[in-house]
Amino acid sequence: AQSVTQPDIHITVSEGASLELRCNYSYGATPYLFWYVQSPGQGLQLLLKYFSGDTLVQGIKGFEAEFKRSQSSFNLRKPSVHWSDAAEYFCAVGGGATNKLIFGTGTLLAVQP
Amino acid sequence: KAGVTQTPRYLIKTRGQQVTLSCSPISGHRSVSWYQQTPGQGLQFLFEYFSETQRNKGNFPGRFSGRQFSNSRSEMNVSTLELGDSALYLCASSAGLDTDTQYFGPGTRLTVL
Repeated sequence: AQSVTQPDIHITVSEGASLELRCNYSYGATPYLFWYVQSPGQGLQLLLKYFSGDTLVQGIKGFEAEFKRSQSSFNLRKPSVHWSDAAEYFCAVGGGATNKLIFGTGTLLAVQP
Repeated sequence: KAGVTQTPRYLIKTRGQQVTLSCSPISGHRSVSWYQQTPGQGLQFLFEYFSETQRNKGNFPGRFSGRQFSNSRSEMNVSTLELGDSALYLCASSAGLDTDTQYFGPGTRLTVL
């Protein structure tokens, strides 16, 4: 079955600390992977995506993610978190002849001053 | 370029009523997808349209329907509303087929009383 797992429901980090949000996927075909961020009451904003090629992808706002096929993972990282990064983060997988995305349950990030 | 727009942003309905939500994709985009977001079920795919044709449908009852017009604008309709239909309904547009990058609108918050 196709699925995305984000094991951490809620994470709190201090401002300036590094961040890693975990994402594991199960997908039968070649996966296309995405990270989106959602602020309260807002839609989803694309942070970055992986389709093929270099397994380390750079996104907006200083985020990066690494695709590891052997571990079925696509973890999101940021070296230094800012208070404005507090939001909910969603990992998603898609692929094939469709735009349908399967989303994880999200990780809510809180940033302490 | 203007982003994805959704109208209305907020709706309050009572059980048994029906509702129509509208989505205008990014100019030039021909694919529109709809998602339902609830605290309990997370983000779930509803349907996907491309060039006025429904290409994919999620696991929702027949009360949920949609359509796409020749200008790529899309509507979704929910008939005989139930309390459980209260959710944020998100529309996403993409330029083409086959897991193209999707850009999300701000959503329509539907409350069913």
